[in-house]
Amino acid sequence: QVQLQESGPGLVKASETLSLTCSVSGYSISSGYYWAWIRQSPGKGLEWIGSIHQSGSTHYNPSVKSRVTLSVDTSKNQFSLRLDSVIAADTAVYYCARPRMTPAGRYFDYWGPGTLVTVSS
Amino acid sequence: QSALTQPRSVSGSPGQSVTISCTGSSGDVGGYNYVSWYQHHPGEAPKLIIFDVNQRPSGVPDRFSGSKSGNTASLTISGLQAEDEANYYCSSYAGTYPVFGGGTQLIVL
Repeated sequence: QVQLQESGPGLVKASETLSLTCSVSGYSISSGYYWAWIRQSPGKGLEWIGSIHQSGSTHYNPSVKSRVTLSVDTSKNQFSLRLDSVIAADTAVYYCARPRMTPAGRYFDYWGPGTLVTVSS
Repeated sequence: QSALTQPRSVSGSPGQSVTISCTGSSGDVGGYNYVSWYQHHPGEAPKLIIFDVNQRPSGVPDRFSGSKSGNTASLTISGLQAEDEANYYCSSYAGTYPVFGGGTQLIVL
C-alpha cells in the first residue's frame, strides 16, 4: 500500500522560505509517476501547487510558479516543496499526493494526511 | 473562491441517500469527463472515491456513485452509514491542471 507523509516546520515567518518534504513508502519513486503538492488555505478550497517526476521534470501552478521549486531525492524516496517569500495567504494545510494520467493529475490516488503551515508576521 | 461550487453541508439519516453537487463551467466540469471525488475524515489522508466522473477505485463500496450533467457533477451516497460522515471534495481537470471545490460536510443524523 502506497503511503505518503509530509514533514517540515509548522511555523514560517513572512518573507522567508517554506520547506516541506514528503516521504513515500510502499512504492519506489524511481519506478515512475509524477508526485504532487496540494494545499488548502483556511476557509478555501484545495489548490494544486505543482508536480514533479522522478526524472526531475516539473509542472507548476501559474499562481505560485515564480516562488515555488519542487525537487526529488530518489535515494531517500522523498520529494520536496520550497516556497519562497511567503505571505499570510500561504498559510494552509499542505498535502503531498500522487497524480494520475497527467503530470498535474486528472485525479490523485494517494494522499498524505497533510501538515499545517502557518505564516507569522 | 473555489473554482468549483459545492454546498457547504448536506445531511441524511442512516440508510438514506444523499447527493452532493459540484458546479463548474465549460472549461472544467462541462468540458471534460475527468471529475473526481475525495472523502476526507479530518486528520486523515483524503481518499479517492470516484474518478473519471463515475469510476470507483478498487475497494470503494458501490454505495458511492458519480454522475455528470452539463457543468454540474454529482456524488450520490446510498445506504448512508455513520462512517460516511466526512468532508467531500470534488475536482475536475481544467485543461492544464485540476481545480477543486470548497468541500461539503456530510452529516449523518
